[in-house]
Amino acid sequence: DIQMTQSPSSLSASVGDRVTITCRASQSISSYLNWYQQKPGKAPKFLIYAASSLHSGVPSRFSGSGSGTDFTLTISSLQPEDFATYYCQQSYSTGTFGQGTKVESK
Amino acid sequence: EVQLAESGGGLVQPGGSLRLSCAASGFTFRNYWMQWVRQVPGKGPVWVSRINFDGSSTSYADSVKGRFTISRDNAENTLYLQMNSLRAEDTAVYYCARETSGSYWGLDYWGRGTLVTVSS
Repeated sequence: DIQMTQSPSSLSASVGDRVTITCRASQSISSYLNWYQQKPGKAPKFLIYAASSLHSGVPSRFSGSGSGTDFTLTISSLQPEDFATYYCQQSYSTGTFGQGTKVESK
Repeated sequence: EVQLAESGGGLVQPGGSLRLSCAASGFTFRNYWMQWVRQVPGKGPVWVSRINFDGSSTSYADSVKGRFTISRDNAENTLYLQMNSLRAEDTAVYYCARETSGSYWGLDYWGRGTLVTVSS
């Protein structure tokens, strides 16, 4: 099975900060990588697919990059509504998720 | 508006069974692959199962293979998850989700989830 490892597990940031989250796959998954945002008590929200393609309606401050085993999610200027937990998911084989990165207010 | 609504969760004893349902509306259900994902509160989501357009192709996480069965009724716009031989570690919120079209799929719509608790 493909394992997905995110880092860091949590981070503290301020509004306006640039935030970067990393996701590593245990084997090459090409660009079969999704990103989601989840707030407490809610279902995950789809952000990015194919490693770097923004889902419809997602603000352009979100971006993704990477291929193979190493991927990043970047929020260019953190907004108040972006404090949440972020998950990566591989869609190369079934759909393993990472363990999550919680973005908290500094 | 796309809507997914899960039902059927509840408290069940170890070794018991439950059948989850997911009622879909606002889109042409038969045109989409569908999935079940579960999540223990405070933990990350875990992929459970996937089904193609007409139910002829299914896949499962190793942890549920042989115990869970995914199915769908396209005439009723409903997705199902039959869960047998339930274990304490199956306790979680279960979400149904719609898969986007194309080879680079993602899960673009999710239900609110239904809580399954396996305990004696």
